[in-house]
Amino acid sequence: TQLLEQSPQFLSIQEGENLTVYCNSSSVFSSLQWYRQEPGEGPVLLVTVVTGGEVKKLKRLTFQFGDARKDSSLHITAAQPGDTGLYLCAGASGTYKYIFGTGTRLKVLA
Amino acid sequence: GAGVSQTPSNKVTEKGKYVELRCDPISGHTALYWYRQSLGQGPEFLIYFQGTGAADDSGLPNDRFFAVRPEGSVSTLKIQRTERGDSAVYLCASSIRGAGANVLTFGAGSRLTVL
Repeated sequence: TQLLEQSPQFLSIQEGENLTVYCNSSSVFSSLQWYRQEPGEGPVLLVTVVTGGEVKKLKRLTFQFGDARKDSSLHITAAQPGDTGLYLCAGASGTYKYIFGTGTRLKVLA
Repeated sequence: GAGVSQTPSNKVTEKGKYVELRCDPISGHTALYWYRQSLGQGPEFLIYFQGTGAADDSGLPNDRFFAVRPEGSVSTLKIQRTERGDSAVYLCASSIRGAGANVLTFGAGSRLTVL
């Protein structure tokens, strides 16, 4: 069974601080996606990384795919209250199946 | 429609009852997924449709769960003899095709509570 473990599980920080969320697996994925989910809504895609070692930036968010395509990280610079939510990584297994991580609940305090 | 629509948004039922959850995907999306999400956890894969056929139903927990997509558009997830452990948010997602690195668009989910 493929598992994607995320750490930390919970994170509560002050506005302006930096943070990193990790997504780890023993399996290799063809691609990896990061989503953010707010209460009462479905997950919304933030980014897709495909190549080992790839780094993508989305404003204050930086995403990295591990060289071996087994792990990924999400770094947020100068977090804002609007960043609050559940962050999920999802690995593509084969050509269609997406396995989601255990989730990281982030709360940014004003 | 503009997005993935799921109905009902909330369903409360009694243990042992039958439940149907509906998903209306984005028009033209051939791939459709059902996931189940417990509070604070990541979504758990249930089943994937490519067109009308279930290409992978390996995530369905047992034979009380069944899903159909008869015309390759709307899908219905059916749960027989509901149990309290079935309580969760059931998410539906669609994409243009099922290939890797594709964009999944999720609905807001159907929250099922089994008393």
